[in-house]
Amino acid sequence: EDQVTQSPEALRLQEGESSSLNCSYTVSGLRGLFWYRQDPGKGPEFLFTLYSAGEEKEKERLKATLTKKESFLHITAPKPEDSATYLCAVQAPTGNQFYFGTGTSLTVIP
Amino acid sequence: NAGVTQTPKFRILKIGQSMTLQCTQDMNHNYMYWYRQDPGMGLKLIYYSVGAGITDKGEVPNGYNVSRSTTEDFPLRLELAAPSQTSVYFCASSYSASGSHEQYFGPGTRLTVT
Repeated sequence: EDQVTQSPEALRLQEGESSSLNCSYTVSGLRGLFWYRQDPGKGPEFLFTLYSAGEEKEKERLKATLTKKESFLHITAPKPEDSATYLCAVQAPTGNQFYFGTGTSLTVIP
Repeated sequence: NAGVTQTPKFRILKIGQSMTLQCTQDMNHNYMYWYRQDPGMGLKLIYYSVGAGITDKGEVPNGYNVSRSTTEDFPLRLELAAPSQTSVYFCASSYSASGSHEQYFGPGTRLTVT
């Protein structure tokens, strides 16, 4: 059973066209939800951690939000350098297991 | 700080061969992890360690072994390589005392078993 589902699988945006990526999860007793960015041929790079419903975090053009069953990564006025795969991960109640989604591949066209 | 380093970057193995993937971190993190990433699939946790001398299985441990004799190093051993172990392997580390488990990843090892 999938613990984490991300949508869409791929997203193409024009530069400046804002949008949102979705991460839904089925883990109960969530310890934390994480967003990572992964560039081709590289390891994931940490972006945000969210712990409780209603929490929001921002970094430059990115804002992450969390509800009881899903998280959104909002991208405002994206630039071509925002093109990457964005991964969502949840930390299981035990605290030591992490489940990753398959990611959303974002392409921002100049 | 170099962060998390992994060697080798690429490797081709024949079926039945063995090898060790090396992982070192210089951030004094207590937690370390090994993941595999297959095309179209999310990262899957193979093994993790909460400190030197302590390791535990993740979601997909079969066919792998780990050890952690120091804080810095967390090698992953593949015994009797199989084509199903063809994947990209990532090592990561985190510091639990901060309350957050944000993980820092290495650049990965691309392994092909033929």
